[in-house]
Amino acid sequence: DIQMTQSPSTLSASVGDRVTITCRASQSVITWLAWYQQKPGKAPKLLIYKASTSESGVPSRFSGSGFGTEFTLTISSLQPDDFATYYCQQYNDYPRTFGQGTKVEIK
Amino acid sequence: QVQLVQSGAEAQKPGASVKISCKTSGYTFTSYPIHWLRQAPGQRLEWMGWINTDNDRVKTSQMFQGRLTITRDTSASTVFMELSSLRSEDTAVYYCAKDRGYCGSGNCYPDAFNMWGQGTMVTVSS
Repeated sequence: DIQMTQSPSTLSASVGDRVTITCRASQSVITWLAWYQQKPGKAPKLLIYKASTSESGVPSRFSGSGFGTEFTLTISSLQPDDFATYYCQQYNDYPRTFGQGTKVEIK
Repeated sequence: QVQLVQSGAEAQKPGASVKISCKTSGYTFTSYPIHWLRQAPGQRLEWMGWINTDNDRVKTSQMFQGRLTITRDTSASTVFMELSSLRSEDTAVYYCAKDRGYCGSGNCYPDAFNMWGQGTMVTVSS
């Protein structure tokens, strides 16, 4: 199975901060990488697919980049609605696998 | 609009089975695969399997070897997930999710999960 590792696990930031989350895969997933946002008690929401393509309706402050085994999700200016847990997920191979999550907390 | 609506919470005893439904609407049911995933309390998301809603083919994670059954009812635009021989470690929120990739002419082009059900809590306890 492809192992996905995110860093950091927890991130404390303030409104307006630029935030970057890293996701590393144990082997190349090319660009078959998605990012999701999850709030407590809710289902995940797709933000980015194919490493850097924004899902329709997602604010432009969210962006993704990367190729192969290293990927990043950037929030250019953190907003109050962005405090949540973020997961990366590879879909290059089965089983589909997720990172352990990065919780973005209010500083 | 696209919606996935799951059946309600379940409480089961160890060794029993649970069957959860995922009713879809707002799109052509047979054009997009449906996946099942779960999330134990405080844990990462875990992919369980998926069904090609066009031709009924199923692929499941080896983690659930022999315990997981995924089926569909095309007339009701609904997918079902049944997990048997339940144990306490199966306590989790179970989600269905629609793949944004397209299925057609017997082939699927899987992609990310662009729409999710609301989740179904399954509690396994004696």
